[in-house]
Amino acid sequence: QLQLQESGPGLVKPSETLSLTCTVSGGSISSSSYYWGWIRQPPGKGLEWIGSIYYSGSTYYNPSLKSRVTISVDTSKNQFSLKLSSVTAADTAVYYCARHLLAGTVAGTTLSVAFDIWGQGTMVTVSS
Amino acid sequence: QSALTQPASVSGSPGQSITISCTGTSSDVGGYNYVSWYQQHPGKAPKLMIYDVSNRPSGVSNRFSGSKSGNTASLTISGLQAEDEADYYCSSYTSSSLFGGGTKLTVL
Repeated sequence: QLQLQESGPGLVKPSETLSLTCTVSGGSISSSSYYWGWIRQPPGKGLEWIGSIYYSGSTYYNPSLKSRVTISVDTSKNQFSLKLSSVTAADTAVYYCARHLLAGTVAGTTLSVAFDIWGQGTMVTVSS
Repeated sequence: QSALTQPASVSGSPGQSITISCTGTSSDVGGYNYVSWYQQHPGKAPKLMIYDVSNRPSGVSNRFSGSKSGNTASLTISGLQAEDEADYYCSSYTSSSLFGGGTKLTVL
């Protein structure tokens, strides 16, 4: 049974870089059918997709966060990671990793199908 | 601000049916049949309930069904149960953040 687990610091200072890792167990991150994504949820608010990565390293990001986001993958460790730079209090949120099914790209638009397996989430607070 | 619009809240009594709408445009909801729905209980991770507009993953109750008409997708829950009380989010194949703003379902 595939499981995802987020890990990383729970407290980050303003202007610094938030770094999180998602470890995939019970299956291979190198599955040809799936991307691997990050989603966040500020306290009391809705879900916001951050970006997703394929095992080959191909990425696609939410345009509103793209300038500050880097997602990478380490297939040898069955992990993928998120880095979000220049954080502010607005980046305080529960961060989830999830398996992301895509249906390819048409006319430059990547077709997201669903996030079918989620990690439990990790709370990250941005504060001095 | 989400590109997909959901009602902030809906409510229903046990045994009743409720429907949650998710309104977008021809460039997202109306474009392809890639709409998904997620259930989130307080303090828990979201759970996929519907994908490809109307398909249920294995293990999801058949009380949950999805549909789409034009630029609006809908999630219907029949035979409402207390355990259905949760937040529900829609997602389209493409939009600014991929998710709607969420709907809080209250079971009266």
